[in-house]
Amino acid sequence: GENVEQHPSTLSVQEGDSAVIKCTYSDSASNYFPWYKQELGKRPQLIIDIRSNVGEKKDQRIAVTLNKTAKHFSLHITETQPEDSAVYFCAASNINNDMRFGAGTRLTVKP
Amino acid sequence: KAGVTQTPRYLIKTRGQQVTLSCSPISGHRSVSWYQQTPGQGLQFLFEYFSETQRNKGNFPGRFSGRQFSNSRSEMNVSTLELGDSALYLCASSLEGGGAQHFGDGTRLSIL
Repeated sequence: GENVEQHPSTLSVQEGDSAVIKCTYSDSASNYFPWYKQELGKRPQLIIDIRSNVGEKKDQRIAVTLNKTAKHFSLHITETQPEDSAVYFCAASNINNDMRFGAGTRLTVKP
Repeated sequence: KAGVTQTPRYLIKTRGQQVTLSCSPISGHRSVSWYQQTPGQGLQFLFEYFSETQRNKGNFPGRFSGRQFSNSRSEMNVSTLELGDSALYLCASSLEGGGAQHFGDGTRLSIL
């Protein structure tokens, strides 16, 4: 089955700086790569996703890049704000919805 | 449109008992996935149901089982509970598969 590795496990940045979280996957059949944000005590919420036929996708301060050849994808958050503090999960899924998650990154944005 | 609903929200059981958790997906969603979340372990995939059939399965023992009904609602059952089963159990629904999953608030299960 799919194996997703996520780094770093914790990340601390100063407000206004950028944050980058990286994930690698093992299954070349994976074609859908979502990112979820989970605030303390709340459900994971989808923040951005990308499909394998696209190399990059941007939504305001958030962007995701995908390198299919190297089997890795990254989340980029620019101009970070304290409300960006949360745990972020990457995931990879194949066409049959076999979705596996990374272990998560705890992002702390210091004001 | 109502979101994914999980019941109960909290549950306390003792070792050896069994438990059933329920998940009602977003209307129109046919795929339901279950995850176990523990501190430091992220989201561990349990299984996924689509059209009343288990389509994918994670690496959990046979004590963990599930089913899906014709209205797409799903239940998860854990038998012979162990202390290590204490966790937040999340379900997520999606339209067909291979796309965005929407999570419920989870059921927090505590084993005494």
